[in-house]
Amino acid sequence: DVKVTQSSRYLVKRTGEKVFLECVQDMDHENMFWYRQDPGLGLRLIYFSYDVKMKEKGDIPEGYSVSREKKERFSLILESASTNQTSMYLCASSLKASRGYTFGSGTRLTVV
Amino acid sequence: DAKTTQPTSMDCAEGRAANLPCNHSTISGNEYVYWYRQIHSQGPQYIIHGLKNNETNEMASLIITEDRKSSTLILPHATLRDTAVYYCIVRPPAANFGNEKLTFGTGTRLTIIP
Repeated sequence: DVKVTQSSRYLVKRTGEKVFLECVQDMDHENMFWYRQDPGLGLRLIYFSYDVKMKEKGDIPEGYSVSREKKERFSLILESASTNQTSMYLCASSLKASRGYTFGSGTRLTVV
Repeated sequence: DAKTTQPTSMDCAEGRAANLPCNHSTISGNEYVYWYRQIHSQGPQYIIHGLKNNETNEMASLIITEDRKSSTLILPHATLRDTAVYYCIVRPPAANFGNEKLTFGTGTRLTIIP
């Protein structure tokens, strides 16, 4: 009964690499979100999308970009990975005007 | 969005009711109170939300004070599986564009003691 799927559970990348984190939802949700979670800082919103090809910056968009070519898929892109982007990345989706988010299990990214 | 204040951590004995407080003294009249929880190594999970009235579902009860400046999440019979970080969030109605996003704080780490 998987609803929000993140492509990788663990990922190790080198500094300077271009990194793609993929998220797919099968609930026909309009809204999708990318958060990162770090100890002591909680979850912080990076980007979100409320429709195909639409995107909005969250609280910490620097160093990231996103792509939403299809409704069910929302990709987070690290153009040139840096060690300070080592984190847990969480994807979520929700229906438009809905009050409940569904989260994926997260991708733990380590940049070395 | 209104800011929330929660205790950093709490313990509760297994089988007892767990009462998690949240202060949101700057909440606006149309802002909802949401609760999510995050079990270790998983994404956050929606629990319950409310505006003014107390709410109950199969997971928990939400008690909102009359002045709406604070609320309490109640897990009536806590089990070991309820050990998690609990987040209290306030936000405007989701129908308004740009209000779909949720802002998470650092939450309360609830530990259920056997």
